[in-house]
Amino acid sequence: AQSVTQLDSQVPVFEEAPVELRCNYSSSVSVYLFWYVQYPNQGLQLLLKYLSGSTLVKGINGFEAEFNKSQTSFHLRKPSVHISDTAEYFCAVSDRGASKIIFGSGTRLSIRP
Amino acid sequence: DGGITQSPKYLFRKEGQNVTLSCEQNLNHDAMYWYRQDPGQGLRLIYYSQIVNDFQKGDIAEGYSVSREKKESFPLTVTSAQKNPTAFYLCASSMIGQTSGANVLTFGAGSRLTVL
Repeated sequence: AQSVTQLDSQVPVFEEAPVELRCNYSSSVSVYLFWYVQYPNQGLQLLLKYLSGSTLVKGINGFEAEFNKSQTSFHLRKPSVHISDTAEYFCAVSDRGASKIIFGSGTRLSIRP
Repeated sequence: DGGITQSPKYLFRKEGQNVTLSCEQNLNHDAMYWYRQDPGQGLRLIYYSQIVNDFQKGDIAEGYSVSREKKESFPLTVTSAQKNPTAFYLCASSMIGQTSGANVLTFGAGSRLTVL
């Protein structure tokens, strides 16, 4: 069964520093991959997605992620974070052509001034 | 505006009572989902449905039931068999197929259930 691992439950970084949030999934079959963000006291919204094509995907708010099939990873990166990026970030995966979508346990990003 | 409406936003129940959470969407999405969110555990899939009158169990379906009598509606019942029902419940929907929006979830605002 498909599973998603977000190894870092919390990531503290200083403002304007780069950040990488890690995500690994279990299956090597064709997949769709997603990152969602949940700001404090708000619902979840899509940050970016990989369905096919270029392995480097750009999303909103300056975030990007790279799909690495050999390492079954989809790490999220931002070159310079802002206080407003404080949120919880969730990685999600589904098998291509299937509707079941599984989420990771989330990574809480806290930004220090 | 198109979106997903969940109700109630907050719900309290006594042990041994069943409770039903409502989820309605006007996005014309085929697939609908129920997730449970607990601190440190992310979102765990309870049930999902790709088409009317059909649904599949997710990873934590025990103690829950759903129905999909209309495309727009996917209510979740938390039964007395659910041992630890206090949680934040999120409903979502998506398109299916080969479109660029396939499997992109739109979420409702959530329902917080507290068992007293």
